[in-house]
Amino acid sequence: AQSVTQLGSHVSVSEGALVLLRCNYSSSVPPYLFWYVQYPNQGLQLLLKYTTGATLVKGINGFEAEFKKSETSFHLTKPSAHMSDAAEYFCAVSGEWGSQGNLIFGKGTKLSVKP
Amino acid sequence: KAGVTQTPRYLIKTRGQQVTLSCSPISGHRSVSWYQQTPGQGLQFLFEYFSETQRNKGNFPGRFSGRQFSNSRSEMNVSTLELGDSALYLCASSFSFPYEQYFGPGTRLTVT
Repeated sequence: AQSVTQLGSHVSVSEGALVLLRCNYSSSVPPYLFWYVQYPNQGLQLLLKYTTGATLVKGINGFEAEFKKSETSFHLTKPSAHMSDAAEYFCAVSGEWGSQGNLIFGKGTKLSVKP
Repeated sequence: KAGVTQTPRYLIKTRGQQVTLSCSPISGHRSVSWYQQTPGQGLQFLFEYFSETQRNKGNFPGRFSGRQFSNSRSEMNVSTLELGDSALYLCASSFSFPYEQYFGPGTRLTVT
């Protein structure tokens, strides 16, 4: 069965600093991986996805993630944090064949950005 | 294209009552999934509908049910509400494999 672990429920960075949010997954089949962001009182917005092909995936708002099969990781990075990046971030893996409509989410990482 | 819409946005109900939440997917999307989000349990999958058929179901009691109409709009129903059903209920729609899902703003349900 698939699972997702996000290391660190809270991450705090200074404006302009590197953002690194960690995600490790467990999957018995080649995974499809996603990062979503949630701002207060809103739904989830898709940041980026990995399906097949290039392991470095670029998303919106300057975020990118690298799929590392050997490490079962899909960490999210952004070179320079902006105040508007403060939000909660969720890593997710698609369900196995026949249950792809079921996304399995990590517990989320709340990102704070200090001025 | 309009995004996923959910109605109502906020709802307050009393224990024992039932509630129906509505979701309109992005035009052309045939798959609709529902999730429950709580501070303690995080995001949990409820069920998925595709072409009016429930394709997958999460680990929730039978009090939680749903349906999908021919225009892909979906509803979920919770009967005999309990305090623990207080949560943000999110609906998501998708068009094709590998199923990146687009989420609505959610319905915040409070059970008193």
